[in-house]
Amino acid sequence: EDKVVQSPLSLVVHEGDTVTLNCSYEVTNFRSLLWYKQEKKAPTFLFMLTSSGIEKKSGRLSSILDKKELFSILNITATQTGDSAIYLCAVEVGNTGKLIFGQGTTLQVKP
Amino acid sequence: NAGVTQTPKFQVLKTGQSMTLQCAQDMNHNSMYWYRQDPGMGLRLIYYSASEGTTDKGEVPNGYNVSRLNKREFSLRLESAAPSQTSVYFCASYPGTPVWETQYFGPGTRLLVL
Repeated sequence: EDKVVQSPLSLVVHEGDTVTLNCSYEVTNFRSLLWYKQEKKAPTFLFMLTSSGIEKKSGRLSSILDKKELFSILNITATQTGDSAIYLCAVEVGNTGKLIFGQGTTLQVKP
Repeated sequence: NAGVTQTPKFQVLKTGQSMTLQCAQDMNHNSMYWYRQDPGMGLRLIYYSASEGTTDKGEVPNGYNVSRLNKREFSLRLESAAPSQTSVYFCASYPGTPVWETQYFGPGTRLLVL
């Protein structure tokens, strides 16, 4: 059975801290791994990592994919209160766009 | 482009009632999906339609039915609602190509079953 597991499930930090969110997976027919940010509404896309793109960076956010050890991390440096959200990891399996999501990590950034 | 739209935004049902959640996309995407999200559970796939005319079960299909009415519309039906179906429901669509594309989500429908 395809499975995606995120850790920690919740995290409280102070502004300026650096956080690392983890995502491990066991799936058949891996196609890509995606990170989303969710703030009380629909998830918004952050990164897609594939065999040909195992490291991505956008501003204070960065992510890597380790296809050998089957995990990914999402790093956020110099956190701000606006980073408070649920961060979702999902793995695309097969060629139908089907996504398997992890439970999500709830991040709270305190001023 | 409106993207992915869902109706209604919020609904309260009594146990045993039926209803249909509507989803439409105007991006000419081939694939469409229905997810539910419960606290601490991430998103779980209920049903999906890889292309017009096809539907397949996801992780949690029990108690639901779907119809891919045409390329634009994908509806989710609860025949006899149960309190366990209280959740937030998201519809999404996906073009299929190019390979760097991802799913586009609708704004969600909040359903409360009493």
